[in-house]
Amino acid sequence: QKEVEQNSGPLSVPEGAIASLNCTYSDRGSQSFFWYRQYSGKSPELIMFIYSNGDKEDGRFTAQLNKASQYVSLLIRDSQPSDSATYLCAVGNTGNQFYFGTGTSLTVIP
Amino acid sequence: NAGVTQTPKFRILKIGQSMTLQCTQDMNHNYMYWYRQDPGMGLKLIYYSVGAGITDKGEVPNGYNVSRSTTEDFPLRLELAAPSQTSVYFCASRTQGAGELFFGEGSRLTVL
Repeated sequence: QKEVEQNSGPLSVPEGAIASLNCTYSDRGSQSFFWYRQYSGKSPELIMFIYSNGDKEDGRFTAQLNKASQYVSLLIRDSQPSDSATYLCAVGNTGNQFYFGTGTSLTVIP
Repeated sequence: NAGVTQTPKFRILKIGQSMTLQCTQDMNHNYMYWYRQDPGMGLKLIYYSVGAGITDKGEVPNGYNVSRSTTEDFPLRLELAAPSQTSVYFCASRTQGAGELFFGEGSRLTVL
């Protein structure tokens, strides 16, 4: 079983604050790491992907990967009410399989 | 481009009935996936395919079957439906070399 774990939350932050979402994974052979956003009743949509150790920034979003600790995180700066959603961490392996965590529910309070 | 199209969007089945969830993509993607998502949970991989004629099991394949006769289509068959199969089913595809999964809108299945 390839496990991907996330804090289920809910996580609440005030508008304009930084939201920090965390994910750990069990398969050391994992090669690719993704953050998806899912609004209620909708399908997941890709926010960020990261393949190498370190930080990757895209606008208000920063993904951080530490393969030695088997840890990946997502920071959302200047959080907006429209960021309120469930964030899913996904991990890909060499076998073309992608495993998802249970998701973290984020609420941004105006 | 329509992307990934799933049908039906909603379905109610009685215990023991069978049905097929259809999934088709028009992006010429080699890789296709079926996931299920139970309320408040993440996505669980049911089956996946790396190309026409090739399928493999994921985390939760029991009670399901798939086929991949063409690049475009990846139907999911439920045999002898059980209440435990009540879920939202997502089909996804991706191109070779890229990691992003493109998802369909989902099919909500209820087994009573």
